[in-house]
Amino acid sequence: LAKTTQPISMDSYEGQEVNITCSHNNIATNDYITWYQQFPSQGPRFIIQGYKTKVTNEVASLFIPADRKSSTLSLPRVSLSDTAVYYCLVGGSGAGSYQLTFGKGTKLSVIP
Amino acid sequence: DTGVSQNPRHKITKRGQNVTFRCDPISEHNRLYWYRQTLGQGPEFLTYFQNEAQLEKSRLLSDRFSAERPKGSFSTLEIQRTEQGDSAIYLCASSLGAREGYEQYFGPGTRLTVT
Repeated sequence: LAKTTQPISMDSYEGQEVNITCSHNNIATNDYITWYQQFPSQGPRFIIQGYKTKVTNEVASLFIPADRKSSTLSLPRVSLSDTAVYYCLVGGSGAGSYQLTFGKGTKLSVIP
Repeated sequence: DTGVSQNPRHKITKRGQNVTFRCDPISEHNRLYWYRQTLGQGPEFLTYFQNEAQLEKSRLLSDRFSAERPKGSFSTLEIQRTEQGDSAIYLCASSLGAREGYEQYFGPGTRLTVT
């Protein structure tokens, strides 16, 4: 499974757009990029997944450049409730267990 | 609510005792995972079931740990002769199938404290 590198922490004011970048230089051809969010005392929650270019859902956008060696999770107009740890994961989509390999994540603090 | 549920939510036990946790996945999900999370770290994979078959186990899962998923429904994780290092949050997750493998739905976890 490809190793990922992301900032340990980030601060943002309410209402701003937040971009969290993740590096995954040794991503394999079949690997997808997946982001999870975790609030204190809760299990992680799937946010978004992509393979290339851009993916958008009701919660976030995921930008993936052509070389796929990095990805950026974009959270529009964050609120205090977006304060959480965000994990970037990469892994293949072939046959297998799909076990998730989490790093330490990025702790996002939204300031009023 | 049809999410993943885990019981108990908290468990305090003395070193050397056995404990058992239960996970009820989303009903139509055939894949079930157990993870362990310690303070300040992301979850670590322990084991995986597809239906009732345990197909993968992490090296983290020592001989004191055993997991079952009878009939491919709920799952139990048992820890025998608990040690203080077993103190952690034990998370269960489930997913639907191959294509959605990385979209896993997590339960709230069971917090284990070994004294």
